[in-house]
Amino acid sequence: EIVLTQSPVTLSLSPGERATLSCRASQSVSIYLAWYQQKPGQAPRLLIYDASTRATGIPARFSGSGSGTDFTLTISSLEPEDFAVYYCQQRINWRRLTFGGGTKVEIK
Amino acid sequence: QVYLVESGGGVVQPGGSLRLSCGASGFNFNDYGMHWVRQAPGKGLEWVAFIRHDGSYEQNADSVKGRFTISRDSSKAILYLQMNSLRPEDTAVYYCAREQVVATGTPYYFDLWGQGALVTVSS
Repeated sequence: EIVLTQSPVTLSLSPGERATLSCRASQSVSIYLAWYQQKPGQAPRLLIYDASTRATGIPARFSGSGSGTDFTLTISSLEPEDFAVYYCQQRINWRRLTFGGGTKVEIK
Repeated sequence: QVYLVESGGGVVQPGGSLRLSCGASGFNFNDYGMHWVRQAPGKGLEWVAFIRHDGSYEQNADSVKGRFTISRDSSKAILYLQMNSLRPEDTAVYYCAREQVVATGTPYYFDLWGQGALVTVSS
């Protein structure tokens, strides 16, 4: 099983600031990594897939980068609605899809 | 409007069974593989099962293998999860989710999610 480790666990920032979230894989996942956003009481929403492609309707302030074992989700300027939990997910081992433990972006 | 709606959640005793349903609307259900993903209270996401768009292949997570069965009724556009031999650690919100890639043989990502159904396993 591929383990995804997200850091930090919690990120305390103010609106307008830049957020940088990390996801590290226990072995290479090539570019086959996605990012999801989840707000309290809601289902997750796909933000980024294949490491850097924004999903339909996702604002340009969200960007993804990386390949192999190290990936980054960047939110260029935090909007109030961006405070949420973010998860990464790999699909290269498609028989055992796995998620990271999540990063909570909270208001400072 | 494109959406998924889960139903069938509830409280069940350890060792019991429950069947979840997920109704799909607004898209061609037969074109998409489907998944179940769960989230224990206050915890992260765990993928549970996948079924191909045509029902020809299924894959389960190791944690539910031999106990849970994913299936689909394409004529009704409904996804199912039959859960047997339930354990307290199966307590979670269960989401159905659509596979992002149309008619794929293997799963990729989840691009449409239902609102979730809570399953509580407790005596």
